[in-house]
Amino acid sequence: EAQVTQNPRYLITVTGKKLTVTCSQNMNHEYMSWYRQDPGLGLRQIYYSMNVEVTDKGDVPEGYKVSRKEKRNFPLILESPSPNQTSLYFCASSYRAASYEQYFGPGTRLTVT
Amino acid sequence: GENVEQHPSTLSVQEGDSAVIKCTYSDSASNYFPWYKQELGKGPQLIIDIRSNVGEKKDQRIAVTLNKTAKHFSLHITETQPEDSAVYFCAASMRDTDKLIFGTGTRLQVFP
Repeated sequence: EAQVTQNPRYLITVTGKKLTVTCSQNMNHEYMSWYRQDPGLGLRQIYYSMNVEVTDKGDVPEGYKVSRKEKRNFPLILESPSPNQTSLYFCASSYRAASYEQYFGPGTRLTVT
Repeated sequence: GENVEQHPSTLSVQEGDSAVIKCTYSDSASNYFPWYKQELGKGPQLIIDIRSNVGEKKDQRIAVTLNKTAKHFSLHITETQPEDSAVYFCAASMRDTDKLIFGTGTRLQVFP
């Protein structure tokens, strides 16, 4: 089954404790991205990647890191999480670019205390 | 940078009525405008999209219209059903940077 998987689905952590949210897709997609969803603010793009070893900042990249060492994986790293990063995070992938259908993962709800 | 405004933020309709959600964008170079539906507890899913060389596109009960001059596009749902209840997001793709900018979402409730 074609899908985007994220892990973990739920995470509660404390300020400053480094964490990684994994994202994997099995559709051989070139384009992958991370979004955060907050009430009243919609979906905001954090980082995106056009292909392996190519990443670019979205609209809200501060406090996040990403890497794209393999085509199928695009982990999101929070080196020193803060409470304002409490949010619902979605990974997405598409065939080639932002102008193609985005396939979203099920989401990761992160709480930073 | 690009900004996408979406209205209304909430919309309640009676089953069988029509629903219209409107979005405006700021970057005239944007050329791709998708609409996503997000059901409770799930990730968004594409329901329809339109490119800037087309003015209108229809898929059964769903249609999208694009006015490039005014820089706005709209989602039209006819004969609404309770299963249409969800959050709907519009988006615009910036051709030069390849970012995808989403609107703030519309929560649609369809009452039986």
